[in-house]
Amino acid sequence: GDSVTQMEGPVTLSEEAFLTINCTYTATGYPSLFWYVQYPGEGLQLLLKATKADDKGSNKGFEATYRKETTSFHLEKGSVQVSDSAVYFCALLKAAGNKLTFGGGTRVLVKP
Amino acid sequence: DTGVSQNPRHKITKRGQNVTFRCDPISEHNRLYWYRQTLGQGPEFLTYFQNEAQLEKSRLLSDRFSAERPKGSFSTLEIQRTEQGDSAMYLCASSLTGGDDGYTFGSGTRLTVV
Repeated sequence: GDSVTQMEGPVTLSEEAFLTINCTYTATGYPSLFWYVQYPGEGLQLLLKATKADDKGSNKGFEATYRKETTSFHLEKGSVQVSDSAVYFCALLKAAGNKLTFGGGTRVLVKP
Repeated sequence: DTGVSQNPRHKITKRGQNVTFRCDPISEHNRLYWYRQTLGQGPEFLTYFQNEAQLEKSRLLSDRFSAERPKGSFSTLEIQRTEQGDSAMYLCASSLTGGDDGYTFGSGTRLTVV
């Protein structure tokens, strides 16, 4: 079945550090890929998406590129802020699918 | 639009009691999804509706769980004879058909079974 694997956290960084969260997927066909963010006490918010190979999704300084050859969608940000502390979820949606499949989440803690 | 609304935010119940949660999706969205999230895990799919039709149910959705979306607008998720293992965050989301633009999630209902 479809699955998403993320690097385990927590990831602890200092402010202005570079952030990478690895995400790989297993799915047949050509899924769409998403990153969601969950701030403490809140629901999931869509951060960015990519719908086909080599697409780059970007938002709020975060970027991720859909790499079909490595079945990956790693999330990056060049300079994190304390306000980026949250749990980040990678997810896939198959072209003919009806539900998002999520990874286990990666907690990020940014210290001042 | 106020987004996806879920009520209640928190529910504490005794084992064996029945509970019901409500979700009000974004009005233009014809799809509505229920997910369950336990501590430290990603959301797990439970079921989804397109308009009023329930089109898919996960194996996680035992016969103690039932979901409805009677008029294709709001949805309810009922858990009968709750067990401690049902303690989790129950998330509702909505989307337009296909979901390629992503889902909009509510803030969830946290259920604690004591």
